[in-house]
Amino acid sequence: GQQLNQSPQSMFIQEGEDVSMNCTSSSIFNTWLWYKQDPGEGPVLLIALYKAGELTSNGRLTAQFGITRKDSFLNISASIPSDVGIYFCAGAINTGTASKLTFGTGTRLQVTL
Amino acid sequence: DGGITQSPKYLFRKEGQNVTLSCEQNLNHDAMYWYRQDPGQGLRLIYYSQIVNDFQKGDIAEGYSVSREKKESFPLTVTSAQKNPTAFYLCASSRNRGGGSYNEQFFGPGTRLTVL
Repeated sequence: GQQLNQSPQSMFIQEGEDVSMNCTSSSIFNTWLWYKQDPGEGPVLLIALYKAGELTSNGRLTAQFGITRKDSFLNISASIPSDVGIYFCAGAINTGTASKLTFGTGTRLQVTL
Repeated sequence: DGGITQSPKYLFRKEGQNVTLSCEQNLNHDAMYWYRQDPGQGLRLIYYSQIVNDFQKGDIAEGYSVSREKKESFPLTVTSAQKNPTAFYLCASSRNRGGGSYNEQFFGPGTRLTVL
């Protein structure tokens, strides 16, 4: 099955810095989701996007649904140590039934003090 | 508390043995899913179920089996036919949020299976 391309694969940043990551696909999705996973735990849903061009925020997190419907972006402002983890994007087609999410390969974020 | 539980957290089995992983949810979600995660990789779909007594193969169903006898339960059996069963297994569920969209999936804490 397809996996989405996430960039960068990993990043080291200092506390207080802003972070940007993106996710690209060769095919169109009509839903984009962003998850965060801590080591040894299940992913936690951060933001869901449903319309091309949509910009949605959740606290310090902001995500955008790309106009082409083949990409999505996640920004984290003023990073803090608890932002450490792996961030996954996921795309889906709304079929009206149980959905098959296609996941990205993940961006590993490490925050230094 | 509403949520998804998976048990056990860690599971060890000998090669050639079947093993069943538990997944229970009390969110009243219709749809449930099983994913497999290997080190440094994203999640890959094994099986999913829209309603009780119905389930569909995902991208990597070979060597796995599931059942959905109750809405809140979706156990996964890793059979001896699965060539590389050692992995982190994640269960998820979702509901119809309107417009037929089930896309917002919520995950359990995972079970790490190691086959010796």
